Amino acid sequence: AQTVTQSQPEMSVQEAETVTLSCTYDTSESDYYLFWYKQPPSRQMILVIRQEAYKQQNATENRFSVNFQKAAKSFSLKISDSQLGDAAMYFCAYRSERTDKLIFGTGTRLQVFP
Amino acid sequence: NAGVTQTPKFRVLKTGQSMTLLCAQDMNHEYMYWYRQDPGMGLRLIHYSVGEGTTAKGEVPDGYNVSRLKKQNFLLGLESAAPSQTSVYFCASSYLRTGIVPGELFFGEGSRLTVL
Repeated sequence: AQTVTQSQPEMSVQEAETVTLSCTYDTSESDYYLFWYKQPPSRQMILVIRQEAYKQQNATENRFSVNFQKAAKSFSLKISDSQLGDAAMYFCAYRSERTDKLIFGTGTRLQVFP
Repeated sequence: NAGVTQTPKFRVLKTGQSMTLLCAQDMNHEYMYWYRQDPGMGLRLIHYSVGEGTTAKGEVPDGYNVSRLKKQNFLLGLESAAPSQTSVYFCASSYLRTGIVPGELFFGEGSRLTVL
């Protein structure tokens, strides 16, 4: 069975600085998709970025980028130029290409200080 | 455009009572998922469906049943509620995989269930 691990329950960053959130996963599959979701206090889940496992190039969305290391089964999220609005819970997620099962990690709470 | 709608938003149950959470999506999505969110546990997959008439177990299926009789609806049932099922429940849907990169989940707003 696949698992997703986020080893940092909480992180903090100063406004305008850069922060990296860690995620590792375990799978025997070769084809899958990885995601980062953001959950602000409103509880709404928002897709931040996604990565196809067959793509070697790391995904980038504006201030958000990932470091995808397939062999190490690592998928970290880097937030550059952090803003107060980035404060939220961040969840890493894995989707199986074979079964379409989509599972999440336990989340990292990010605080952003002015 | 409603997106994904969950009803009810809040519910308090007594141990042993039954109830059904309804998830409705108007985006013609094939895939639908039920998760529960608990502090420190993240979102855990209960059951999911890859199409009308199909369901599959997730990570924590015990104590729950689901049905997908219509493509737009995914029902989550608790036959005999227990305090351990106190949680916030999220429904999500996503579009068909073929020809399209899968994955963006569209979430409902969540349903807070308390079992006394």
